[in-house]
Amino acid sequence: DARVTQTPRHKVTEMGQEVTMRCQPILGHNTVFWYRQTMMQGLELLAYFRNRAPLDDSGMPKDRFSAEMPDATLATLKIQPSEPRDSAVYFCASGEGAGRYGYTFGSGTRLTVV
Amino acid sequence: QQQVKQSPQSLIVQKGGISIINCAYENTAFDYFPWYQQFPGKGPALLIAIRPDVSEKKEGRFTISFNKSAKQFSLHIMDSQPGDSATYFCAASMGGTSGSRLTFGEGTQLTVNP
Repeated sequence: DARVTQTPRHKVTEMGQEVTMRCQPILGHNTVFWYRQTMMQGLELLAYFRNRAPLDDSGMPKDRFSAEMPDATLATLKIQPSEPRDSAVYFCASGEGAGRYGYTFGSGTRLTVV
Repeated sequence: QQQVKQSPQSLIVQKGGISIINCAYENTAFDYFPWYQQFPGKGPALLIAIRPDVSEKKEGRFTISFNKSAKQFSLHIMDSQPGDSATYFCAASMGGTSGSRLTFGEGTQLTVNP
């Protein structure tokens, strides 16, 4: 089964440190999404890319978050500096074309900022 | 702004019973309505989806009922099984440049007792 691979699965870091989360989308999927899941806010879209170009990152705090796709096989989400309120599970998902007919989610990165 | 409201927040059903989860949306531009299933420690997985030109879609034990005039849709799980215990999310998206953007409901934690 094709799958979206996210690393690391778990990350504990101290406040103020830089955090980088990585995602390998399914081969051939040209649309990539970053979602954040918390108990309070549920699933929030942070950013998404099509053909490696950012289409929408309005859900992302620009002062500390950045998302990139250096190539078609890698998407990254960076937080610098990290804060305790960033503690959440971060999901990457990918889809074909406009991605409207179903995304495949990775298993997520559980981030804890202490 | 929460554009998709989901209820109930949690649901307990006996094995063999019917589980019903409801969602309501506000934006009439939405034209794609998927349901996702999430198990602990995993990312959401597409379960079933519907477009507003049909009123019902069935796949195995899972059925989506769609009421366009009421701007509501629901998931019915027939003959519920303990293995169906998971969190279920409804979602909605629209065409155009934001066609990929899925807006999720708050989630329903389903427990099916043996």
